[in-house]
Amino acid sequence: DTGVSQDPRHKITKRGQNVTFRCDPISEHNRLYWYRQTLGQGPEFLTYFQNEAQLEKSRLLSDRFSAERPKGSFSTLEIQRTEQGDSAMYLCASSFPGRLNEQYFGPGTRLTVT
Amino acid sequence: GESVGLHLPTLSVQEGDNSIINCAYSNSASDYFIWYKQESGKGPQFIIDIRSNMDKRQGQRVTVLLNKTVKHLSLQIAATQPGDSAVYFCAELDFSGAGSYQLTFGKGTKLSVIP
Repeated sequence: DTGVSQDPRHKITKRGQNVTFRCDPISEHNRLYWYRQTLGQGPEFLTYFQNEAQLEKSRLLSDRFSAERPKGSFSTLEIQRTEQGDSAMYLCASSFPGRLNEQYFGPGTRLTVT
Repeated sequence: GESVGLHLPTLSVQEGDNSIINCAYSNSASDYFIWYKQESGKGPQFIIDIRSNMDKRQGQRVTVLLNKTVKHLSLQIAATQPGDSAVYFCAELDFSGAGSYQLTFGKGTKLSVIP
């Protein structure tokens, strides 16, 4: 399978705990994006990387959220001190250089904060 | 699987009929408009896109129409099949200024195909 992969697929955590998600983009894709999707809504942009550089962050990305892409390949998204409002699907996407209009999404990580 | 389609506009069509899904967009400066299909429990899947300087683009069984005058986008699916059942989102991509390269998604439409 050469698509975008995400791990874990599901995560249940208690409020106040930290969680970390991983995304492996399609190889050769230099851009990587994180989105958040709540039930019944379209995905909302969180942040994106070009290679290892984080170039943009949404206002949705509070200081409890941090994303990294240390070697320009896989990326991690960490949420510290989780709150119930963080419950959502976290989606990762990647795109090929010069094909910014085609973002390919992974299956997502469903986070439930209890 | 989980339901992505709660509280979404719903379109029900008979198998074999054509489907038309509509979307109103807000940013006249968007460079691309893209349609995504999202099945329950999965991430959005790229279907087709159209540049802002075009008004029609055809793919396999799908056609996207863009009307910039009224800021309207539509996705036509020919000979709808049960496998087309999903939530469909339109998205905009604006390469200019702050916020470039991020997709801005519209409200989804749940398509249900009746066998």
